[in-house]
Amino acid sequence: NAGVTQTPKFQVLKTGQSMTLQCAQDMNHEYMSWYRQDPGMGLRLIHYSVGAGITDQGEVPNGYNVSRSTTEDFPLRLLSAAPSQTSVYFCATSKGDQPQHFGDGTRLSIL
Amino acid sequence: EDKVVQSPLSLVVHEGDTVTLNCSYEVTNFRSLLWYKQEKKAPTFLFMLTSSGIEKKSGRLSSILDKKELFSILNITATQTGDSAIYLCAVSLNYGQNFVFGPGTRLSVLP
Repeated sequence: NAGVTQTPKFQVLKTGQSMTLQCAQDMNHEYMSWYRQDPGMGLRLIHYSVGAGITDQGEVPNGYNVSRSTTEDFPLRLLSAAPSQTSVYFCATSKGDQPQHFGDGTRLSIL
Repeated sequence: EDKVVQSPLSLVVHEGDTVTLNCSYEVTNFRSLLWYKQEKKAPTFLFMLTSSGIEKKSGRLSSILDKKELFSILNITATQTGDSAIYLCAVSLNYGQNFVFGPGTRLSVLP
């Protein structure tokens, strides 16, 4: 049982490049979320999904895109990377009112 | 605007000390308050609190919620070096999704 799997673990991009951060879960959780974590700012919600085919914006959605075609996968796309998007990205899943389970994160640097 | 505040932001203690971490919140549609411990990677769940005045305990850690004064505390007794981590407080706003995180308290326990 892998839980929440994020890939890649590390990535370096150049400004203007695009890429997709992957998140996969095998717990059959209906809720999935993407957060970014910056020093001193805790976790900020980027986008979330309450089920396949349904997504919504969080606190800091600009520059990011998501889709949810299956229960298991919730990829996060950076459309045109900017240095301000340098951060650690976490995917989280949950079911009902239960606490979220987090992946190990993707450390992203944009030059 | 929904807000979660934690104090102190950083704390250094010696093994054996007792620490109290604080979390206050101003949110609409409060459902629950959660505490997480984050070491090097993913945050791991500690407690979920929904009712005022009921202490939750797990070993040397305990937590309590005051919904009238809108705060929670996390106590750690007889601290150990393994308690060194960032402790995150989060508030769940509605059913299932939409958690607001505080900035975290970085605890360092020296031998």
